[in-house]
Amino acid sequence: TQLLEQSPQFLSIQEGENLTVYCNSSSVFSSLQWYRQEPGEGPVLLVTVVTGGEVKKLKRLTFQFGDARKDSSLHITAAQPGDTGLYLCAGPMKTSYDKVIFGPGTSLSVIP
Amino acid sequence: DTEVTQTPKHLVMGMTNKKSLKCEQHMGHRAMYWYKQKAKKPPELMFVYSYEKLSINESVPSRFSPECPNSSLLNLHLHALQPEDSALYLCASSPDRGDYGYTFGSGTRLTVV
Repeated sequence: TQLLEQSPQFLSIQEGENLTVYCNSSSVFSSLQWYRQEPGEGPVLLVTVVTGGEVKKLKRLTFQFGDARKDSSLHITAAQPGDTGLYLCAGPMKTSYDKVIFGPGTSLSVIP
Repeated sequence: DTEVTQTPKHLVMGMTNKKSLKCEQHMGHRAMYWYKQKAKKPPELMFVYSYEKLSINESVPSRFSPECPNSSLLNLHLHALQPEDSALYLCASSPDRGDYGYTFGSGTRLTVV
């Protein structure tokens, strides 16, 4: 069974600090997606990484896909209160690309 | 239009009621999904429609009945729900397969009393 794990589960930091969130699996994924979800809203897709070793940047957010395509990281530089939310990684199952599973999420709180 | 629209935003229903959740997208996406999300948990897949046909049912109880009237609309019919079915119900769509990411709606917050 393909599973995704995320760490840390919770993170509370001061505005301006840097942080990294990790997404890991023992299985290979064809791609991994990162979402941010705010309370009472649906997740918003931030990025999809497809190629092993790939690095993508979205303003202060840097996403990396591991060489073996089993893990990914999200690094935020100079965190702002607007970055607060639940960060979810997700990936398609080998048995069906229509079936995307989600990791348990990292709840980030950025304190002004 | 780059949105998935879900109605209603909030719904309170009794265990004997019948209600429906609606989802609409006009991005030409060919796959649509229902997810259920409990508080502090990740979304859990319920159903997948691909090209208007039900392709995945994740062993969801029959009190939840999905319907895809056309490529832009997705409904979830609810009947005889239990209090433990209270959750945020999310609709999502993707251009074809799910591996390049979804566009989610804002969800329907369902409370069963």
